[in-house]
Amino acid sequence: GAVVSQHPSWVICKSGTSVKIECRSLDFQATTMFWYRQFPKQSLMLMATSNEGSKATYEQGVEKDKFLINHASLTLSTLTVTSAHPEDSSFYICSAFEAGQLKETQYFGPGTRLLVL
Amino acid sequence: AQSVTQLGSHVSVSEGALVLLRCNYSSSVPPYLFWYVQYPNQGLQLLLKYTSAATLVKGINGFEAEFKKSETSFHLTKPSAHMSDAAEYFCAVSLNDYKLSFGAGTTVTVRA
Repeated sequence: GAVVSQHPSWVICKSGTSVKIECRSLDFQATTMFWYRQFPKQSLMLMATSNEGSKATYEQGVEKDKFLINHASLTLSTLTVTSAHPEDSSFYICSAFEAGQLKETQYFGPGTRLLVL
Repeated sequence: AQSVTQLGSHVSVSEGALVLLRCNYSSSVPPYLFWYVQYPNQGLQLLLKYTSAATLVKGINGFEAEFKKSETSFHLTKPSAHMSDAAEYFCAVSLNDYKLSFGAGTTVTVRA
């Protein structure tokens, strides 16, 4: 089946630094990827929709200058948390659809756990 | 706006017993409803999906869910739990088949 990977799986950084998280579709091309975040014991919340070759669409309340999304190729989307602060500590999950159509199934990555000290 | 509520953050069942995970939804229009499972250190995997066809939806690994509009529910069941069913389960709702709103999740543990 389709596989989506995320790198890194775990990251600890100091407050004020920027962190980049990669989401890759390993065996298919994805024109659309989604970024979610999940706080402990809470739901996954959609942050933004990432479209290859165009600007990401952010959900209400998500700061686009804080969470930079780049979808430069059909197999890679990146999320950069800029000037991270402790409140940005969370579990970040991406998902992807195969190129050419919106399929019935989203393929999810394993998530990246971010801890900002 | 659509949302889902999962009743019970943790469910413990004996191996061979019925698994019942509860999910209630709120949506202004007929929704798409999903159940996902997440094993440790892995991505979410689709168990099953309701798209306004049959109200009883059969999924993978012996799971099924029934859409009940009158109760705004989409509960997940499996007749006989297996040790491999221990995982986190998420109910989700969507209006357009891909932009998902998730519940908080239910952790299932299976006792030998």
